[in-house]
Amino acid sequence: KNQVEQSPQSLIILEGKNCTLQCNYTVSPFSNLRWYKQDTGRGPVSLTIMTFSENTKSNGRYTATLDADTKQSSLHITASQLSDSASYICVVSRSWGKLQFGAGTQVVVTP
Amino acid sequence: EAGVAQSPRYKIIEKRQSVAFWCNPISGHATLYWYQQILGQGPKLLIQFQNNGVVDDSQLPKDRFSAERLKGVDSTLKIQPAKLEDSAVYLCASSTGQESTDTQYFGPGTRLTVL
Repeated sequence: KNQVEQSPQSLIILEGKNCTLQCNYTVSPFSNLRWYKQDTGRGPVSLTIMTFSENTKSNGRYTATLDADTKQSSLHITASQLSDSASYICVVSRSWGKLQFGAGTQVVVTP
Repeated sequence: EAGVAQSPRYKIIEKRQSVAFWCNPISGHATLYWYQQILGQGPKLLIQFQNNGVVDDSQLPKDRFSAERLKGVDSTLKIQPAKLEDSAVYLCASSTGQESTDTQYFGPGTRLTVL
């Protein structure tokens, strides 16, 4: 069964601290892996997209890693800001345009 | 560049009533998606259009849900009749449809509450 599992389900971090979110998947065949940020009441916004041959990609303070052998990915947030409070969704693409979404990790950044 | 537009933003109906959602994708985007996102879960694809043709509607409950994309631009998603379990956010997304790594751009969603 094609699944995308994320952990933790939620976390609270202090402003300025770093955090890492995890994503494990069993989706096959694999085309690419994406991380989205979804603010409350808004649609998801793409942060990174990685293909099979890429093992890291950055977008500002967000750094995603991919280990296609172990089918694991992580999203690292550096020096968190209050605006980072959101749900972060791991999405794995099986083939052209067919995305499998994880349930998301809810991040709350406190002052 | 204008984003994906959706309306209405919120809708409250009683079960067994009908409802329709509208989506205007980013200009020039050939691929349009409708997703259902239940609270606490990731989005689930309902239907995918390439221009005005259906690419994937395998998870669309066809006994009550229907969607169309006339002229390959705007799209409407209809639920008739609605059930309590249809309460969710309905997201529309679009992409150019030119590469497998295309970014999908999402609209703000329509929050549906069925009473």
